Amino acid sequence: EAQVTQNPRYLITVTGKKLTVTCSQNMNHEYMSWYRQDPGLGLRQIYYSMNVEVTDKGDVPEGYKVSRKEKRNFPLILESPSPNQTSLYFCASSSGTTFANTGELFFGEGSRLTVL
Amino acid sequence: QKEVEQNSGPLSVPEGAIASLNCTYSDRGSQSFFWYRQYSGKSPELIMFIYSNGDKEDGRFTAQLNKASQYVSLLIRDSQPSDSATYLCASERDNYGQNFVFGPGTRLSVLP
Repeated sequence: EAQVTQNPRYLITVTGKKLTVTCSQNMNHEYMSWYRQDPGLGLRQIYYSMNVEVTDKGDVPEGYKVSRKEKRNFPLILESPSPNQTSLYFCASSSGTTFANTGELFFGEGSRLTVL
Repeated sequence: QKEVEQNSGPLSVPEGAIASLNCTYSDRGSQSFFWYRQYSGKSPELIMFIYSNGDKEDGRFTAQLNKASQYVSLLIRDSQPSDSATYLCASERDNYGQNFVFGPGTRLSVLP
């Protein structure tokens, strides 16, 4: 089954304790991205990756790191989490497209993070 | 900074009515537009995309694009309670065709 898998789905942690949210896709997609979703603000992009070893900042990259060592995996790292990073996080992937194609994003199920 | 704006709602319509969801975008260079549906507690799923001016129909859904007015809409005909969800409008962020900016979403409630 084609899917994007995120772990953990739920996490409560404390300020400053490093954590990693994993994301893996089995569709051989080149493009992967991380979003956070907050009430009233919608989906905001944190980082994205066009291919292995190619990553770039989105709209809200502060406090986050990513890496893309393999095509299928795109982990999100919070080196020193703070309460303002409490949010719902989505990983998404897409195949290579031009603007005339669907450009469909396939989303993981989301990871709800609470930082105390 | 490219922006996509939507009325957050909630938009309430009776069952069987037409629901009209609207979206405006700031970047005239945006080429493609997408509508995602997100049920409460779930991840977004693509329902329509459009890149040409005019209408595009798929079942009960019609997407409309007016590039001159920088306006995108989604019409849902014969609305059903199962259509109750948040609808996210997204525009293509750049010429790669893969990077998107999302609006805040409009919450739709279809009343039985």
